[in-house]
Amino acid sequence: AQSVSQHNHHVILSEAASLELGCNYSYGGTVNLFWYVQYPGQHLQLLLKYFSGDPLVKGIKGFEAEFIKSKFSFNLRKPSVQWSDTAEYFCAASSGNTPLVFGKGTRLSVIA
Amino acid sequence: GAVVSQHPSRVICKSGTSVKIECRSLDFQATTMFWYRQFPKKSLMLMATSNEGSKATYEQGVEKDKFLINHASLTLSTLTVTSAHPEDSSFYICSARAPGQGWDGDTGELFFGEGSRLTVL
Repeated sequence: AQSVSQHNHHVILSEAASLELGCNYSYGGTVNLFWYVQYPGQHLQLLLKYFSGDPLVKGIKGFEAEFIKSKFSFNLRKPSVQWSDTAEYFCAASSGNTPLVFGKGTRLSVIA
Repeated sequence: GAVVSQHPSRVICKSGTSVKIECRSLDFQATTMFWYRQFPKKSLMLMATSNEGSKATYEQGVEKDKFLINHASLTLSTLTVTSAHPEDSSFYICSARAPGQGWDGDTGELFFGEGSRLTVL
């Protein structure tokens, strides 16, 4: 079955630290990959997406993710986090028009 | 971006009653809407795919008679939790797929509602 794994349940970082959240997927064939963010009390928002082309994808708010096909990974990165990045981050995948399958999410806490 | 609105955001009901949650796409027509359930500290679990004008497609393990989904128009889908029990208490989130924008596979971006927290006493 298709699945998405996020390895970190809770990450705590100091402001200005660099961030990398892991995401691995198990899909055969073409895969579409997404990172969503859920700020406290708000709905899910799309950070970035990968469909094809350049495997390094840049999203909003300084986030980027790299699709590494050989590793079945789509890790999310940010060079310097801010307190306002505190949120829950979800990796998701789909194949063609299939519904999104989400990872379990990673809670990021940024402390001053 | 596009807006998806859910109502109510919070609902408390007694065991055995039914609760209806609405999901509306406010500025686009959504031929497909999805209903997810989010458990504490867990992922979003897809419950069903709702297509306008046809029956919903339920994921394995989801009781279709308990979670009634209706997608009567291109901007509205409803989820009715029938004969609710405490174990149905959860956070229910809908999402709507915006029309394809020319990407491979015509997979339009998903927009999510704010979610509805159901508490069954």
